[in-house]
Amino acid sequence: GESVGLHLPTLSVQEGDNSIINCAYSNSASDYFIWYKQESGKGPQFIIDIRSNMDKRQGQRVTVLLNKTVKHLSLQIAATQPGDSAVYFCAEKESGYSTLTFGKGTMLLVSP
Amino acid sequence: NAGVTQTPKFQVLKTGQSMTLQCAQDMNHEYMSWYRQDPGMGLRLIHYSVGAGITDQGEVPNGYNVSRSTTEDFPLRLLSAAPSQTSVYFCASSLGGTQYFGPGTRLTVL
Repeated sequence: GESVGLHLPTLSVQEGDNSIINCAYSNSASDYFIWYKQESGKGPQFIIDIRSNMDKRQGQRVTVLLNKTVKHLSLQIAATQPGDSAVYFCAEKESGYSTLTFGKGTMLLVSP
Repeated sequence: NAGVTQTPKFQVLKTGQSMTLQCAQDMNHEYMSWYRQDPGMGLRLIHYSVGAGITDQGEVPNGYNVSRSTTEDFPLRLLSAAPSQTSVYFCASSLGGTQYFGPGTRLTVL
């Protein structure tokens, strides 16, 4: 696969299982968070975002949970499919700034 | 809309050569940025721009120059390529926080 996957934490699940990918962030001033999916050989693709005034946001088969107390973000994928296999990145943005800070990513492997 | 486009897709350089990676977007986004992605390092910000005529340094700017003469284009210049610049380069644009990425340029410096 893509060399970006080397040395990344890996989550292996069976097709149909629910997946939970976690991300810890460090900046307590961050007020906007995004999850990206990156397939082999492609650029990161936006999945879902959440602002700091929310604890939970749902999309199609995906849910993002935000715990500001412990600075933790999670991405839940329901009924995981082989097409969900990719590297997943969280990103944070501080209020008043335009730049994003990315986590190092988690590789999700889905077995049929 | 084509979104964010990048050229070339692949490039091999010799140490000391210079080149420009092209990035264009047709979404009228004010914010554009360049990242490099190395194994196990995630995405690291090289330079960014909040609008035409304005650029600023990111986390790893050394060895790279940028300019933003139009809203649409944000080229990244390597002045004298080094093997440490072997990486995958991504350009992104944004209107209000969420950044949209191009397909990337894989650069190898020998």
